[in-house]
Amino acid sequence: DILLTQSPAILSVSPGERVSFSCRASQSIGTSIHWYQQRTNGSPRLLIKYASESISGIPSRFSGSGSGTDFTLSINSVESEDIADYYCQQSNSWPWTFGGGTKLEIK
Amino acid sequence: QVQLKQSGAELVRPGASVNLSCKTSGYIFTSYWIHWVKQRSGQGLEWIARIYPGTGSTYYNEKFKGKATLTADKSSSTAYMQLSSLKSEDSAVYFCAREFYGFDYWGQGTTLTVSS
Repeated sequence: DILLTQSPAILSVSPGERVSFSCRASQSIGTSIHWYQQRTNGSPRLLIKYASESISGIPSRFSGSGSGTDFTLSINSVESEDIADYYCQQSNSWPWTFGGGTKLEIK
Repeated sequence: QVQLKQSGAELVRPGASVNLSCKTSGYIFTSYWIHWVKQRSGQGLEWIARIYPGTGSTYYNEKFKGKATLTADKSSSTAYMQLSSLKSEDSAVYFCAREFYGFDYWGQGTTLTVSS
């Protein structure tokens, strides 16, 4: 199985700052990585597909980059509503797997 | 609009089975894969399996073979997941999600509690 390692486990930033989430795959997966946001007691929400492709209805402050084994989700200017857990997920090989998540806290 | 509505919370005894449902609307049910994902309390997400309602084709995570069985009812646009021989470690929230270049729509989740 492909292991996705997300770091750090917790990120704490001030409103308006830029923040980046890291996701590293145990083997090359091209750009078959997707990013999700999950607020407390909510369902995951697709933010970015295929590493860098935007999703309709998602604020433009969210962006993604990377290929191969290293991927990054960025939030350009963090807002209080961005408090959530963020997960990466790969669709390159079966079984599809998720990273362990990064929790975003606002200072 | 696309919606996936899941069945309500379940409390079941160890050793029993349970059938979770995911009723869809707002799109052509038979044209998209439906996936199921597990999330234990305070933990991350774990992919269980997927089904293509148009043909009934399924694909399971090896870890969940023998535990989960997926079916789909075209007449009601509803996907089902049966979980068998339940143990305490099966207690979790279970999500269904539609696959379209990622999981683009999700159900609200069903909380399963396995306890005597």
